[in-house]
Amino acid sequence: NAGVMQNPRHLVRRRGQEARLRCSPMKGHSHVYWYRQLPEEGLKFMVYLQKENIIDESGMPKERFSAEFPKEGPSILRIQQVVRGDSAAYFCASSPGAGDYNEQFFGPGTRLTVL
Amino acid sequence: DQQVKQNSPSLSVQEGRISILNCDYTNSMFDYFLWYKKYPAEGPTFLISISSIKDKNEDGRFTVFLNKSAKHLSLHIVPSQPGDSAVYFCAAPYNQGGKLIFGQGTELSVKP
Repeated sequence: NAGVMQNPRHLVRRRGQEARLRCSPMKGHSHVYWYRQLPEEGLKFMVYLQKENIIDESGMPKERFSAEFPKEGPSILRIQQVVRGDSAAYFCASSPGAGDYNEQFFGPGTRLTVL
Repeated sequence: DQQVKQNSPSLSVQEGRISILNCDYTNSMFDYFLWYKKYPAEGPTFLISISSIKDKNEDGRFTVFLNKSAKHLSLHIVPSQPGDSAVYFCAAPYNQGGKLIFGQGTELSVKP
């Protein structure tokens, strides 16, 4: 009965490197959401994906950020050429379906530190 | 544009007393609200929710009240316990897309 799994839990990158964050949704969940929490702020929506489809990427920065949820394997949030401002906690959530009344279950987060 | 606002960054309460956490929203299209609880170094966990067709929902020590005319909701915890010490977020789904809009959070500290 595993919950949402994220790895790595902590990631340190130098400016200009790439960061890859992975999320495995709960069993039976086909909807994945990524959120970012900057220091002293609430969670901000980034992207919503179903298997092989991006449904809503309205919260994604226009450059350097991308996300995928392939048919097989975890969802990946990729940040290219990281900058110090990318340092944050990145949370993945999953739900069994779409819509307002499906509770989202969150993973423990990946804490990205950019040196 | 902060559509969900929690104006109190922190709250300190004595064990056994009531904790009241407040949340305001600006988007009148929101019709469902959730409260999440978050411990340090963990992800948020769902606590309680309320639909706009109700003005109150209760689950054990936790009760959420919704005042639609004021665009205001509150979470009551009674009696408060030290294990309730955490950051509490209110959130609302945006349209039908499942995207959650979160408030900034209120850090509750329950002192023994």
